[in-house]
Amino acid sequence: EAQVTQNPRYLITVTGKKLTVTCSQNMNHEYMSWYRQDPGLGLRQIYYSMNVEVTDKGDVPEGYKVSRKEKRNFPLILESPSPNQTSLYFCASSRGGLEAQHFGDGTRLSIL
Amino acid sequence: GNSVTQMEGPVTLSEEAFLTINCTYTATGYPSLFWYVQYPGEGLQLLLKATKADDKGSNKGFEATYRKETTSFHLEKGSVQVSDSAVYFCARTPYGGSQGNLIFGKGTKLSVKP
Repeated sequence: EAQVTQNPRYLITVTGKKLTVTCSQNMNHEYMSWYRQDPGLGLRQIYYSMNVEVTDKGDVPEGYKVSRKEKRNFPLILESPSPNQTSLYFCASSRGGLEAQHFGDGTRLSIL
Repeated sequence: GNSVTQMEGPVTLSEEAFLTINCTYTATGYPSLFWYVQYPGEGLQLLLKATKADDKGSNKGFEATYRKETTSFHLEKGSVQVSDSAVYFCARTPYGGSQGNLIFGKGTKLSVKP
């Protein structure tokens, strides 16, 4: 089954404690993205990747890091999380930059 | 620039009512246009898309027509069901700028009552 898998689905943690949200896709897609979803703001792109070792900033990259060492994986790293990063996060992948995107089920992060 | 504007919700309808959710986009470039649906507790799923002017996307009884003259991509369904209750997002591909990005509207929550 074609899917984008995120882990964990839920996480409550404290300010400053490094965390990583993993994302994996099994569709051999070139493009992968991370979004955050906040009430009243819709979805905003954090980072995206066009291929292995190629990443670039989206609209709200501050406080986040990503890496793309393998085609299927695109982890999101919060080196020093802060409460304003409490949000619902989605990973997505697509075959091309202008193609429809496939989304994971989301990761709800709460930073206390 | 790139933007998408959706009608604000929430929208509450009775079962079998007609649905319209308005979406307009900024007239930059020749974007592809999408409607995504997000059911409670789930990620976004592609509902339908249109890649050029006058194209009509359709799926599960929903339709949307790419109108270049009005820069619109309104979502319609003739008879909604309780199971259609979800948040609907209109989106476009960007003009210039970053690839691998979709520009999303803020979402419209639909509640269908039996």
